[in-house]
Amino acid sequence: GAVVSQHPSWVICKSGTSVKIECRSLDFQATTMFWYRQFPKQSLMLMATSNEGSKATYEQGVEKDKFLINHASLTLSTLTVTSAHPEDSSFYICSARDLRDSRQNTEAFFGQGTRLTVV
Amino acid sequence: GESVGLHLPTLSVQEGDNSIINCAYSNSASDYFIWYKQESGKGPQFIIDIRSNMDKRQGQRVTVLLNKTVKHLSLQIAATQPGDSAVYFCAENNRGSDKLIFGTGTRLQVFP
Repeated sequence: GAVVSQHPSWVICKSGTSVKIECRSLDFQATTMFWYRQFPKQSLMLMATSNEGSKATYEQGVEKDKFLINHASLTLSTLTVTSAHPEDSSFYICSARDLRDSRQNTEAFFGQGTRLTVV
Repeated sequence: GESVGLHLPTLSVQEGDNSIINCAYSNSASDYFIWYKQESGKGPQFIIDIRSNMDKRQGQRVTVLLNKTVKHLSLQIAATQPGDSAVYFCAENNRGSDKLIFGTGTRLQVFP
């Protein structure tokens, strides 16, 4: 399957600072990238959907000014957690899909995830 | 956000036995379904998918069954191995949306 690389795999930051997480599709063009958040022993919760060259669409309850998403190219999306607080500590996962063929859906490929700890 | 799951259910099986993991989906308009495997501290890994025009699809040691009447999806793993131990999620997609929505998840534990 296709490869999605997410970086960093873990990060520890001080409360009040910002953290950027990168998501790259290495061998395909990702028209659409998604960012999920996962708490321990829970499912993946979709935070936002981003299409290359346009603004991200955020799910209800997700603060767009706190979780900044940029999808500048077909192979790169970034999530910046601004003014991080301990409650933002979580496992963040990106996924990528190539949806250029609108006739059918295709699988989503996931990054390795980023463990964020805010102290 | 959508699809919040609480307190993952657990399925315990003995090595060599067959495993069946179930998933109920909510949107009758969903037409594409995927099973993912997630190991601790890693991102989800694709296992198998199925479209709504099918009832069954087989892969290597895995079979997915889709019952659209009751909106139920199952994943069957044959001859379960210790390496199959992980959390398994079903995900659904509506043709009119590009979002994948995840189910609650089931933890599979394989004992020797």
